[in-house]
Amino acid sequence: LAKTTQPISMDSYEGQEVNITCSHNNIATNDYITWYQQFPSQGPRFIIQGYKTKVTNEVASLFIPADRKSSTLSLPRVSLSDTAVYYCLVNDYKLSFGAGTTVTVRA
Amino acid sequence: DAGVIQSPRHEVTEMGQEVTLRCKPISGHDYLFWYRQTMMRGLELLIYFNNNVPIDDSGMPEDRFSAKMPNASFSTLKIQPSEPRDSAVYFCASRRGRSSYNEQFFGPGTRLTVL
Repeated sequence: LAKTTQPISMDSYEGQEVNITCSHNNIATNDYITWYQQFPSQGPRFIIQGYKTKVTNEVASLFIPADRKSSTLSLPRVSLSDTAVYYCLVNDYKLSFGAGTTVTVRA
Repeated sequence: DAGVIQSPRHEVTEMGQEVTLRCKPISGHDYLFWYRQTMMRGLELLIYFNNNVPIDDSGMPEDRFSAKMPNASFSTLKIQPSEPRDSAVYFCASRRGRSSYNEQFFGPGTRLTVL
């Protein structure tokens, strides 16, 4: 099981881009990288997943370098409603969540 | 689909009482997970089922906790007797297939307070 490391917290302001980097040095060849988002008083929800290069959807972008030992979740032009905890998981079918990254967006 | 349904949404009970939390997974999902979340310990996996069979209960804190899945559309998590340290938000989640490539859907959670 690939261990992941991500920052505990990040602060930002409305309209800025937020980038959260997750390290997963022992990622296996077949592992996918998945990010979940959890708003206060709600359960986590899937936001994006990728294997290599770049993936983009309506919520975020995920950048994965060629060595795949890290990945960066990018939230463009954040708003107050993007304040949440963001979790990075690597091919963990049991979804053992760590502490995640608490992103706080201020006005 | 209504998503994962949990009941009750809030439960307040006194120490020593039995507590039963309920979950209805999304139809067609063959994996069901129970999590507990507290400020101190974060989001912890308690137990998960595949096709109604418990696969891994290593996260269940002690014998006071038990979980069942009598059929594909219903699961319960029971605490007997309850203690104040069991106060937490309990989430149920379901997924189709073993691979984490498949999206996992969480319910709204049950906030349990044990006095």
